[in-house]
Amino acid sequence: QVQLQQWGAGLLKPSETLSLTCGVNGGSFGDYYWTWIRQPPGKGLEWIGEINHSGIINYNPSLKSRVTISVDTSNNQSSLKLNSVTAADTAVYYCARAKFWPKIYWYIDLWGRGTLVTVSS
Amino acid sequence: SSELTQDPTVSVALGQTVKITCQGDSLRNYYASWYQQKPGQAPILVIYAKNTRPSWIPDRFSASNSGTTASLTITGAQAEDEADYYCTSRDSSGTRVLFGGGTKVTVL
Repeated sequence: QVQLQQWGAGLLKPSETLSLTCGVNGGSFGDYYWTWIRQPPGKGLEWIGEINHSGIINYNPSLKSRVTISVDTSNNQSSLKLNSVTAADTAVYYCARAKFWPKIYWYIDLWGRGTLVTVSS
Repeated sequence: SSELTQDPTVSVALGQTVKITCQGDSLRNYYASWYQQKPGQAPILVIYAKNTRPSWIPDRFSASNSGTTASLTITGAQAEDEADYYCTSRDSSGTRVLFGGGTKVTVL
């Protein structure tokens, strides 16, 4: 059964860089949109960005200046970096695998368990 | 458009039917997918590709689409269906992903 495992620091100080990695166990890495989503405590889901199998990257405009998403296809991993974090970036961060075919159906078929990242001085 | 709008809360009596709606201009071009999230858990996929259920979702869940509105219907709601439900789709340009604000479903 394919699973997404994610890891990274859970406690940051303001101005530091959030860094999370997501690995795929038991499945292929290609032909998907590797997506990062976050959810502040008690709030809804917010899309951060994605990278697809062709290397095309899209970001949420509200985060674009601080976000970098990349993939390491040799290790079946996707990474998220968010710099200059503040308390407003405190959230559960999810990695997810999405499909977008034939360019009218977009959906996430696999979610990571989520990583709570807390930003506090 | 840059928004998907959902009613924040709905309630349904046990065994009755409830419809959750999601409105946004982008739904003219892209079909919504729906997710269920229970407290402390990651979301799970409920409906995708217009009205397709993953194998783990019971057939009391269904979806429909009309213009700028997507709907998720639970027919014969069960206690375990109490959760937050989110719709999502691409934005009108296709380059971003939108999430609705979520609907909290309470089963009475």
